[in-house]
Amino acid sequence: DAGITQSPRHKVTETGTPVTLRCHQTENHRYMYWYRQDPGHGLRLIHYSYGVKDTDKGEVSDGYSVSRSKTEDFLLTLESATSSQTSVYFCAISADLNQPQHFGDGTRLSIL
Amino acid sequence: QKEVEQDPGPLSVPEGAIVSLNCTYSNSAFQYFMWYRQYSRKGPELLMYTYSSGNKEDGRFTAQVDKSSKYISLFIRDSQPSDSATYLCATRPRPGNTPLVFGKGTRLSVIA
Repeated sequence: DAGITQSPRHKVTETGTPVTLRCHQTENHRYMYWYRQDPGHGLRLIHYSYGVKDTDKGEVSDGYSVSRSKTEDFLLTLESATSSQTSVYFCAISADLNQPQHFGDGTRLSIL
Repeated sequence: QKEVEQDPGPLSVPEGAIVSLNCTYSNSAFQYFMWYRQYSRKGPELLMYTYSSGNKEDGRFTAQVDKSSKYISLFIRDSQPSDSATYLCATRPRPGNTPLVFGKGTRLSVIA
């Protein structure tokens, strides 16, 4: 299995609070991605990174920010969580854009 | 039209059956094709990866790409209850800087 660790694995929080999810990899892959997965919508890309401090927006980036200060860590932040951001969040990594992505086991986030 | 369309199912088959899972895509520039399997409460895992037309076989699994019809298929022979999962197709264009585009997934149940 690709060395990808997501933390926390589960979180329940209240509307309006800030939330940070962490993805840590041990594969030294250049690309890292954050997705959310919701029933009826499948996997939707939030943001991705193609190197330290290099990030770009995905399909559903509004309300989310990311940071990558080290190759191995990619953080996803919800500055002020809303109930619509209740979802399962997956981190993925790939060596480059043409290589398959490998996924972590997800973070279940509930915003009440 | 969505870039990648996939019938969500659910699809229920008896053990031992041949399963056919399908996706259509709209962009003729798509050249990389992948199939992922996702068990409940887990991240997607890569099953098959191809960038050419034709068939690619791996054990009980065969991936088929028809670029003229923009159609990709995954066949599972001698299906087992352990194959019960959601199957996602994914593709991306070459050349380009676009990350993967995923189908919404088809949920498969193999009944013993």
